[in-house]
Amino acid sequence: GAGVSQTPSNKVTEKGKYVELRCDPISGHTALYWYRQSLGQGPEFLIYFQGTGAADDSGLPNDRFFAVRPEGSVSTLKIQRTERGDSAVYLCASSHLTPTPDEQFFGPGTRLTVL
Amino acid sequence: AQSVAQPEDQVNVAEGNPLTVKCTYSVSGNPYLFWYVQYPNRGLQFLLKYITGDNLVKGSYGFEAEFNKSQTSFHLKKPSALVSDSALYFCAVRDNDYKLSFGAGTTVTVRA
Repeated sequence: GAGVSQTPSNKVTEKGKYVELRCDPISGHTALYWYRQSLGQGPEFLIYFQGTGAADDSGLPNDRFFAVRPEGSVSTLKIQRTERGDSAVYLCASSHLTPTPDEQFFGPGTRLTVL
Repeated sequence: AQSVAQPEDQVNVAEGNPLTVKCTYSVSGNPYLFWYVQYPNRGLQFLLKYITGDNLVKGSYGFEAEFNKSQTSFHLKKPSALVSDSALYFCAVRDNDYKLSFGAGTTVTVRA
């Protein structure tokens, strides 16, 4: 079946601009996660959705970052007034919500470059 | 707080030899442990997980991992490495929360 998809695969923007990154999770997965992976590092948690609501946004670095999932499926990560330090690969993952921990399935990521 | 350490940045082995990638963890609750592999320009692929039960977990592509509670370790192993196993490997942990905490990754190079 179809996996997690993310668009665009690459995004180059200028400092100060606004960007939106999209994630299409696996159909039927209730949980959706955003992570950020900087060069040479492991992914770092940003935000987690159960259905439409953000259950945990403790990983968002500041108020320039915001994410939505209005219908409980597709999610958009929004970054305002981008800074060069925001350059990274942004990964989206989805999973079932089960009593025992289920693995998260990752998309290919969006590589964001802020010039 | 939860965290993972992967003490080796790189592991180099010859094809056909055993492969081990080390991981130690720290959690306040029950540890749920995962291994993922990342190929260039591709997303993370799930290899295996430990939730409970047998300490030896078998996963995809012939990989296995051994959970050791006393040493707080979850090392990834493969008895006979292939050139195609060359990739970046990540260990991750979560407790009763849902978010994964990843290690910095270990680059595995298998030479022919």
